[in-house]
Amino acid sequence: GAVVSQHPSRVICKSGTSVKIECRSLDFQATTMFWYRQFPKQSLMLMATSNEGSKATYEQGVEKDKFLINHASLTLSTLTVTSAHPEDSSFYICSAGDRGVNSYEQYFGPGTRLTVT
Amino acid sequence: AQSVTQPDIHITVSEGASLELRCNYSYGATPYLFWYVQSPGQGLQLLLKYFSGDTLVQGIKGFEAEFKRSQSSFNLRKPSVHWSDAAEYFCAVGEMGGGFKTIFGAGTRLFVKA
Repeated sequence: GAVVSQHPSRVICKSGTSVKIECRSLDFQATTMFWYRQFPKQSLMLMATSNEGSKATYEQGVEKDKFLINHASLTLSTLTVTSAHPEDSSFYICSAGDRGVNSYEQYFGPGTRLTVT
Repeated sequence: AQSVTQPDIHITVSEGASLELRCNYSYGATPYLFWYVQSPGQGLQLLLKYFSGDTLVQGIKGFEAEFKRSQSSFNLRKPSVHWSDAAEYFCAVGEMGGGFKTIFGAGTRLFVKA
C-alpha cells in the first residue's frame, strides 16, 4: 500500500510556542488529507479535512486559528499548533486519501506525539 | 449523522482461541466499512474494508469481517489469535458525498493471554 510519513514523530515544546507537523504522501498524490487527534486510550477525532489548493474544512469545535492547516501540494499538508498549551498535548495523526472510481483508500501516517510543557 | 459503536471496550482471549470484535454502524446509505489496528504509539493499519459485493471480506493477518445489513453490523473475526494480535482495533465507517469522511468507533483493546 501507499506510504504516508509524518515529521516529527515526537516533539516537546514550551507553552506559548508554535509547532509545525508535516504529513507527506510518499508514492501517490493525495488531493485530500485529514488530520486527527487522539487522546490517550481514546478514538481518533477528525479535526479537519484538507484539500490541495483550498482552505481546510474544520470539524465543529476545532479552532481554525489554533490549528492552522496548509495543503500546498499534492504530497504535503502541514498542521501548525499555534500558541500551544498543555491541553494541546496529544497524538496527532494524518491520513491521505486516494480515490478510485468505486473505492476509496485512506492511508495513515505513524502519528506525532506532541507534549507541551 | 453516521456513527459507529464498538460495544466492548476491551476483550481478553487466550492465545489460539477464536476472536470476534463487534461493530455496529448507523448510516443511511450503503456504508463503506473498515477495520483498523493500532499498536501502542503507532499509526493505524488497515486490516480490511467493505465497499460492495461479497459480504464476507478477507483481510490481512488472517482476519475476516462480515457485513450484515439487517443487523447494521460489521464484526471482525479471527479463528486463532496470536499473542502479536494484542492491540487496539477500530471499526470505521466512511461516507462519500462531496468529499470523504471517516468516522471511527471508540475502539476495542484486545488482550491476549498465554
